[in-house]
Amino acid sequence: SYVLTQPPSVSVAPGKTARITCGGNNIGSKSVHWYQQKPGQAPVLVIYYDSDRPSGIPERFSGSNSGNTATLTISRVEAGDEADYYCQVWDSSSGWVFGGGTKLTVL
Amino acid sequence: EVQLVESGGGLVQPGGSLRLSCAASGFTFSSYWMSWVRQAPGKGLEWVANIKQDGSEKYYVDSVKGRFTISRDNAKNSLYLQMNSLRAEDTAVYYCAREDGNSRGDYFDYWGQGTLVTVSS
Repeated sequence: SYVLTQPPSVSVAPGKTARITCGGNNIGSKSVHWYQQKPGQAPVLVIYYDSDRPSGIPERFSGSNSGNTATLTISRVEAGDEADYYCQVWDSSSGWVFGGGTKLTVL
Repeated sequence: EVQLVESGGGLVQPGGSLRLSCAASGFTFSSYWMSWVRQAPGKGLEWVANIKQDGSEKYYVDSVKGRFTISRDNAKNSLYLQMNSLRAEDTAVYYCAREDGNSRGDYFDYWGQGTLVTVSS
């Protein structure tokens, strides 16, 4: 089965840049999507197709994907960005696969 | 406005059954793949199953194969998840989600608010 590996936690000061990684075997050959989930709420799509942003998502959110690592980058981090973030891919053998999630803490 | 509203969750004993529903509105339901995703308390997201627009293709995560059945009624704009032989490890909030995309593949652009399923004696 296909596995996506994320760091359990990332901490960043307000105004700085947060980078959340998502590791997977040759993930660069897949389309990666990212979701933000705040406590008690449903997930929200923040990046799709590696680097596209849905309408309403700030430009501070960006993504990249190459080799064995995809990265979600949040620039000029704000307190409101504190949440859990999940990466996702489709694998022909495993179906939809989510990473284990990363808790972003704004210091 | 796209809306997905889940219902049917509750407390069920191990080995029991439950049927979840997801009422869709604000879009042409019959044009989209749909998925169920669950989240155990304090844990991450786990995809459960999805179904093609006309119901002709269905896929499941290994842990629910043979126990859960996904279905849809396009005339009623509704998605279902029949859950049998429930186990304690099936305890989770269950979300329905719409799949959208193009030739590059799909992603989940809308999610419901979820319904809690608790399997316990």
